[in-house]
Amino acid sequence: DVKVTQSSRYLVKRTGEKVFLECVQDMDHENMFWYRQDPGLGLRLIYFSYDVKMKEKGDIPEGYSVSREKKERFSLILESASTNQTSMYLCASSPGTSANTGELFFGEGSRLTVL
Amino acid sequence: AQSVTQPDIHITVSEGASLELRCNYSYGATPYLFWYVQSPGQGLQLLLKYFSGDTLVQGIKGFEAEFKRSQSSFNLRKPSVHWSDAAEYFCAVVNTGGFKTIFGAGTRLFVKA
Repeated sequence: DVKVTQSSRYLVKRTGEKVFLECVQDMDHENMFWYRQDPGLGLRLIYFSYDVKMKEKGDIPEGYSVSREKKERFSLILESASTNQTSMYLCASSPGTSANTGELFFGEGSRLTVL
Repeated sequence: AQSVTQPDIHITVSEGASLELRCNYSYGATPYLFWYVQSPGQGLQLLLKYFSGDTLVQGIKGFEAEFKRSQSSFNLRKPSVHWSDAAEYFCAVVNTGGFKTIFGAGTRLFVKA
């Protein structure tokens, strides 16, 4: 069964802390995404990556960075967490261009609370 | 700019009743259209998708959706709702390159006994 795994389901951090959210997929997908989900706003794209070491900004990249050193792993980094980054973070993946139907495969999400 | 509108923030239906969730999109060409479902505390799961061809598409869990180009709509339907359908539903549009998915704000479905 295809799987996207987010290592932390729930995190509580303090303002100013550095936060790492990890995502691993076992489907050999080229594309990986980080979304932020807030009530009434749906999902908003933070960053995506279409290849190892490649990254592209999404709609709301400010305050975030990403790392993709291996094909299966895509990390979201909050260099200095702030309270307005309290949210649900969803990782997703999809196949490369030749096999891409637009369908996204999601992890279960990481709920981050910044105090 | 591409956009997706789900006009209903939440909907309550009785178990066994029919359901229709509305979705309107704005896109220059015929997009790829999707419906995803999110159960509480979970990630999103694909219900169904439309690329081309037959405008009525069938999905998992007894859901279907109809693409109406003239109305720029892709409404989700189910003839008889079960209590386990209580969840949040997201309509989404994907550009032809497949890299950028635009999501609606979501509709939360409540099912009453």
